[in-house]
Amino acid sequence: AQTVTQSQPEMSVQEAETVTLSCTYDTSENNYYLFWYKQPPSRQMILVIRQEAYKQQNATENRFSVNFQKAAKSFSLKISDSQLGDTAMYFCAFRSYGNKLVFGAGTILRVKS
Amino acid sequence: GAGVSQTPSNKVTEKGKYVELRCDPISGHTALYWYRQSLGQGPEFLIYFQGTGAADDSGLPNDRFFAVRPEGSVSTLKIQRTERGDSAVYLCASSQTSGGASSTDTQYFGPGTRLTVL
Repeated sequence: AQTVTQSQPEMSVQEAETVTLSCTYDTSENNYYLFWYKQPPSRQMILVIRQEAYKQQNATENRFSVNFQKAAKSFSLKISDSQLGDTAMYFCAFRSYGNKLVFGAGTILRVKS
Repeated sequence: GAGVSQTPSNKVTEKGKYVELRCDPISGHTALYWYRQSLGQGPEFLIYFQGTGAADDSGLPNDRFFAVRPEGSVSTLKIQRTERGDSAVYLCASSQTSGGASSTDTQYFGPGTRLTVL
C-alpha cells in the first residue's frame, strides 16, 4: 500500500519570504501522480500543484514550485514570496491506478506579517 | 460553473441515529469520491463511483456505511447507528473522468460536511 509522510506538523514564515514543505512517499508503482492541496479554515481543498512521475521537469505554478526526486521518493513544495493568504493546512497526496488519493497528515503553514 | 456542493454544512446527531450526507458534483463529472477527514489528519478514502456504480468501496470502514449514486450525479453517503468515532468532516470530490494511472484528471473538492455524534 502507498503511504505519504509529511514530517513537519507546523511551519511559520515571514511575509515575502520563501518556505519549503517536505513530503516523502512509498510506492512500488512506476506511473503515478503527486499533488499538493491547500486547505484553508473554510475546509475547501484547493489544488495547488501536481506532478506526473514520468516527467523529470519540476512543476511550477506562479509562486509555487516542487522539487521532485523520484529515486528518493521525495516531493517538496516551495512557496516563494509568501503571502498572508497562503496561511492554511497543506496536504501532499499520491495517486496511481485506481484514482483514490492517498494523503499525508498535513503541514500547518502560518505566514506572519 | 458551480463547484462541488455538500449539504448539510454541519450535522449534529445522537449516538445510534441514522444520517445522510449529500454531494452534488460538478456538472458533467462522471467520477465521484468520498473521503473522511478526522481532526488534525489528512483525508482518508472511503468510496469512489464511476457513473452509477461503486468502482471501489474498499475504504468504507464497516457495514454501517453505505453510499449511492442512483442517477450518476448526486450521491448520498448513509451512516447507520452512528457512533462517536464517526465524528469527522466528510469530503466529496468529483473529476471529469476516472482516468487511471495515465490520466492527470484532477479531483475537485466540496467544502465538506462536519458530522458530530454526541
